[in-house]
Amino acid sequence: AQRVTQPEKLLSVFKGAPVELKCNYSYSGSPELFWYVQYSRQRLQLLLRHISRESIKGFTADLNKGETSFHLKKPFAQEEDSAMYYCAPSSARQLTFGSGTQLTVLP
Amino acid sequence: KAGVTQTPRYLIKTRGQQVTLSCSPISGHRSVSWYQQTPGQGLQFLFEYFSETQRNKGNFPGRFSGRQFSNSRSEMNVSTLELGDSALYLCASSLDRALSSTDTQYFGPGTRLTVL
Repeated sequence: AQRVTQPEKLLSVFKGAPVELKCNYSYSGSPELFWYVQYSRQRLQLLLRHISRESIKGFTADLNKGETSFHLKKPFAQEEDSAMYYCAPSSARQLTFGSGTQLTVLP
Repeated sequence: KAGVTQTPRYLIKTRGQQVTLSCSPISGHRSVSWYQQTPGQGLQFLFEYFSETQRNKGNFPGRFSGRQFSNSRSEMNVSTLELGDSALYLCASSLDRALSSTDTQYFGPGTRLTVL
């Protein structure tokens, strides 16, 4: 069965500190991997797509096929990064969303 | 380009009724997917339509159905509503350029359904 785990429901960091949001997945085959983000009162939107290496706002994600992880990282968090982050592997054009991590960046 | 639009934005129904939600994709997008979002279950995939055909389906009962029109607009219908159907229903559209990969999905604002 396809499964996505984001172990941290809530994560708080101080402005300027590094941040890592964890994502582990259990999938048959080799899924495509995405991170989606939802800022307060905004729509869910794509943050990062592994296959194209595109990213916004300085975030990167490292795929570790051995550990089946796709953790999201940013070296220096900003207050505007506060949002809900969803890891979403995809197979056959079907996204499976993790439960999400609410990131709060403190001033 | 206008984004994905969903109507209505809010809806209140009672148990046993049925409801139809509408989604207009971004112009040129041919694929429309529907998701249910609840605090307990998170974001769950309902189904995906492409060229008026259901291409993928999630694990929801048959009370949940959908369709897509020739202009790519899509509707989803929930019959015999239950209290547990209260949720935010999100629609997403994508270009679907490549058959073997997943294009970026662009989400609408959602329809908040409350079942009393």
